[in-house]
Amino acid sequence: GESVGLHLPTLSVQEGDNSIINCAYSNSASDYFIWYKQESGKGPQFIIDIRSNMDKRQGQRVTVLLNKTVKHLSLQIAATQPGDSAVYFCAEKTGGSGYALNFGKGTSLLVTP
Amino acid sequence: DAGVIQSPRHEVTEMGQEVTLRCKPISGHDYLFWYRQTMMRGLELLIYFNNNVPIDDSGMPEDRFSAKMPNASFSTLKIQPSEPRDSAVYFCASSPRPGLGTEAFFGQGTRLTVV
Repeated sequence: GESVGLHLPTLSVQEGDNSIINCAYSNSASDYFIWYKQESGKGPQFIIDIRSNMDKRQGQRVTVLLNKTVKHLSLQIAATQPGDSAVYFCAEKTGGSGYALNFGKGTSLLVTP
Repeated sequence: DAGVIQSPRHEVTEMGQEVTLRCKPISGHDYLFWYRQTMMRGLELLIYFNNNVPIDDSGMPEDRFSAKMPNASFSTLKIQPSEPRDSAVYFCASSPRPGLGTEAFFGQGTRLTVV
């Protein structure tokens, strides 16, 4: 989800459930995507990345899915834990030969016991 | 490696004063980025450097903002004069050269409050 105004979209899940966080990107020429996790008072932290020649990539408890047809990216977190509570950002690499990342507004994940 | 180091962590200043934010990137990373984060606008790229050379500064809000990278281990972001609307968290990030992945490693940020 993308934020509107002051409020981030919030996803509330119970501990142990799976979480799915969605992101729509804008640039059809983007060739690299990253998911970042940001905890309160900290900088964004890398979770997982995927290149545009792939449609799925798995990490430890996380899976990223890429649908280039509709320019959609999702992050799946298995067996969500309280420590997963944070704001999650998707980012796309834009700018041709440049290496700057364009970030989405973020989704707040709240894990309840 | 200690990661990207930013200083200060918090800065409170009066409108009109000069503010200098500092960053030490991860050793060996050829790219350095300055981002600004606000609730309204999210994470915005201000400027980035490759091998100490500014590549894209199109995100710098106005002439009051300037950034330098005198060497591979140090960068500054300066705001002169500062205004209340500059209040935000400013992040510095560094990234290894292409071919080794382009993920950016972020510092802890500097929370700037201009009153």
